[in-house]
Amino acid sequence: QQQVKQSPQSLIVQKGGISIINCAYENTAFDYFPWYQQFPGKGPALLIAIRPDVSEKKEGRFTISFNKSAKQFSLHIMDSQPGDSATYFCAASAQTGANNLFFGTGTRLTVIP
Amino acid sequence: DTEVTQTPKHLVMGMTNKKSLKCEQHMGHRAMYWYKQKAKKPPELMFVYSYEKLSINESVPSRFSPECPNSSLLNLHLHALQPEDSALYLCASSQDIGVARGYTFGSGTRLTVV
Repeated sequence: QQQVKQSPQSLIVQKGGISIINCAYENTAFDYFPWYQQFPGKGPALLIAIRPDVSEKKEGRFTISFNKSAKQFSLHIMDSQPGDSATYFCAASAQTGANNLFFGTGTRLTVIP
Repeated sequence: DTEVTQTPKHLVMGMTNKKSLKCEQHMGHRAMYWYKQKAKKPPELMFVYSYEKLSINESVPSRFSPECPNSSLLNLHLHALQPEDSALYLCASSQDIGVARGYTFGSGTRLTVV
């Protein structure tokens, strides 16, 4: 069973546009929600993360919006650039249990010039 | 040092070969992980080590054998692999199990089994 559901599977955005990726979860024990960016042939790299006591977190062009009651969170990439073209994974974590990072299925973002 | 270093970056091996993947971190993290990632899929957890002891084995076939010689090193020994084992193998580390903050991945080893 997929603990974290992610959509869309792929996304094409014009340069300068806004990219939006959505994730949803069921387990209310999750208390940490990171986003990872992965380029081909590389490992995932932490992009930005949020805790459920905050509704929004912004770092540069990247913003996480978090809706605790709906159990949803999303990544917004403002002013998308071709260099942002990568696969993005949302994830969720609970402090209990050793398997502490559950990934979404990934979104392949392509930013066209 | 905030990196997880994996070697080799690429590996091609025959089905009868024995090879090892190596992972190293010097962040003082006490949890280390092996993941397998197929193309266009998220990483799948294989093994978790906590304080150099195997904590989780996610029903991985015995042709994959992990080893944690010390708190900075993690190896994955490979023997009699199948072509479907071809994938990107990722190592990761974190402060401790149950602590996802600071979870850091290596760049991976691209394994091809022929």
